Amino acid sequence: DTGVSQDPRHKITKRGQNVTFRCDPISEHNRLYWYRQTLGQGPEFLTYFQNEAQLEKSRLLSDRFSAERPKGSFSTLEIQRTEQGDSAMYLCASSLEGTIYFGEGSWLTVV
Amino acid sequence: AQRVTQPEKLLSVFKGAPVELKCNYSYSGSPELFWYVQYSRQRLQLLLRHISRESIKGFTADLNKGETSFHLKKPFAQEEDSAMYYCALSALTGGGNKLTFGTGTQLKVEL
Repeated sequence: DTGVSQDPRHKITKRGQNVTFRCDPISEHNRLYWYRQTLGQGPEFLTYFQNEAQLEKSRLLSDRFSAERPKGSFSTLEIQRTEQGDSAMYLCASSLEGTIYFGEGSWLTVV
Repeated sequence: AQRVTQPEKLLSVFKGAPVELKCNYSYSGSPELFWYVQYSRQRLQLLLRHISRESIKGFTADLNKGETSFHLKKPFAQEEDSAMYYCALSALTGGGNKLTFGTGTQLKVEL
């Protein structure tokens, strides 16, 4: 499968711990996006990279969240001092110029 | 601000019946509209986009700027159409094509 891949697929963590998710976009896609999805809601935009530059961040991305894409290829999303409200599916997506392709997501459960 | 409204959380139809999934949007500029579909245990994938004006899997959607709607239609529902459908909007200005999603409609096709 040469689509967008995310790791880990599932993560259970204790409140207050840090977690990191990785996203590998489709090769040669210069745009990379992070979304969050909670039960009963559609995906909500978090942040967007063009190559290694983070060009836009949503208000949903609090100071505890940080995303990087150091070499313009894979990206990481770190959540520090997790809270129960962070429990959600974190989706990564990538595109070249047109269609946005989504990964399968990383489920986070904060207990 | 961009907003997408999908008024129905669940739509249940019989096989062979027509399907219409409603989507309304609000955006002051000129939007690009999409329908994404998520089949059980699969990733979110693009179904169709309004600028391509094509029919995918028998589904069509017409952008009605006067009514700010982008309803998804299919004349005869098939069992394999059962899935979660999300309407999404992208602003044509600015970098990237950040998507704003509706809350989704679960389509259930019954035999």
